[in-house]
Amino acid sequence: DAKTTQPTSMDCAEGRAANLPCNHSTISGNEYVYWYRQIHSQGPQYIIHGLKNNETNEMASLIITEDRKSSTLILPHATLRDTAVYYCIVRVARRGANNLFFGTGTRLTVIP
Amino acid sequence: DTEVTQTPKHLVMGMTNKKSLKCEQHMGHRAMYWYKQKAKKPPELMFVYSYEKLSINESVPSRFSPECPNSSLLNLHLHALQPEDSALYLCASSQDGNTEAFFGQGTRLTVV
Repeated sequence: DAKTTQPTSMDCAEGRAANLPCNHSTISGNEYVYWYRQIHSQGPQYIIHGLKNNETNEMASLIITEDRKSSTLILPHATLRDTAVYYCIVRVARRGANNLFFGTGTRLTVIP
Repeated sequence: DTEVTQTPKHLVMGMTNKKSLKCEQHMGHRAMYWYKQKAKKPPELMFVYSYEKLSINESVPSRFSPECPNSSLLNLHLHALQPEDSALYLCASSQDGNTEAFFGQGTRLTVV
């Protein structure tokens, strides 16, 4: 699975959009981009995933560049409850199990 | 029901004790996972079960012994642990290799 690079930390004002970047320059054509977050002392929570098209759900939007070498997770209106570590993970879809290898992630702090 | 339930939430054990961590899901998922997370670090994959068979062991010491009695249950048997094994142990499940993983809240283990 391709390696990802994320900023160590970011701040965002409450109510503003939080844009979290992820670089995955060695991604191959059959690898998906997954985003999870982990709020302090809780288990990780799935946010969204995509292959090449932009995706949106009730939590966030995922924008993948045309060359697929980077992506951005967008939380449209950040709240204090969005303060968490956000993990970008790239992996091939495999039959049977979805083995997730977490990098160091981005610690997002939403500021009142 | 989209929950992965882990018990106990907290566990303190001595280095000569034998204990077990339990994980249960009723979503019909066929893949289940154990992760270990040290403080301020990302989760590290330990074991993967797919269709009740161990498919991945990430070079975990034999003092950790996983067991999958049926498709809904996953255990982690602990024996002769060291203080450095103190961590948050997370269980997760997914339907297959291309769907999101759901995580439990973890068992916080302290080895004394």
